Amino acid sequence: GENVEQHPSTLSVQEGDSAVIKCTYSDSASNYFPWYKQELGKGPQLIIDIRSNVGEKKDQRIAVTLNKTAKHFSLHITETQPEDSAVYFCAAQGSSASKIIFGSGTRLSIRP
Amino acid sequence: EPEVTQTPSHQVTQMGQEVILRCVPISNHLYFYWYRQILGQKVEFLVSFYNNEISEKSEIFDDQFSVERPDGSNFTLKIRSTKLEDSAMYFCASNGMEAFFGQGTRLTVV
Repeated sequence: GENVEQHPSTLSVQEGDSAVIKCTYSDSASNYFPWYKQELGKGPQLIIDIRSNVGEKKDQRIAVTLNKTAKHFSLHITETQPEDSAVYFCAAQGSSASKIIFGSGTRLSIRP
Repeated sequence: EPEVTQTPSHQVTQMGQEVILRCVPISNHLYFYWYRQILGQKVEFLVSFYNNEISEKSEIFDDQFSVERPDGSNFTLKIRSTKLEDSAMYFCASNGMEAFFGQGTRLTVV
């Protein structure tokens, strides 16, 4: 069945350094790839997304890349700050009517 | 920013009781979902809903669960005969061009 793999499960980086989280998906029909940030006790917050007709998208310190051939997509956070500490989930979806499949999450910790 | 609203934020119920979790999706969205997250674990798909009917459901979403859009705005998840293992965060989501999640209802079954 459809699956999204996410790595690493935990990531600790020095404040100011970059963080990279990688995901792979199995369903070739997937064409929408959102990334969510989840803080303790809160719901997943959409931080950036990418569709299959583009290879890269950037929003300030956050960027996502997509390689449809390899079924890989990645989240890049530059100049990390303490408030970036959270659990990050990648996800994949086919059409708007289909389910959003989540990766297993990455707990990102920013060391001061 | 558009917002999905869920109530209550926290529900404690006795085993065997029925609970109804409520969601107000984003007004112009057409696709709605319920997800479950057991503490510290993955966000798991339960059910998707479109045009007043279920479009897809997971293995988790058995006869114990039902969804409804009773009045064109609210979207509810009913869990009958709750079990201890139903304790989790339940998230509602709605999808237009982007998929937004609510803040969740923490269900505790005692």
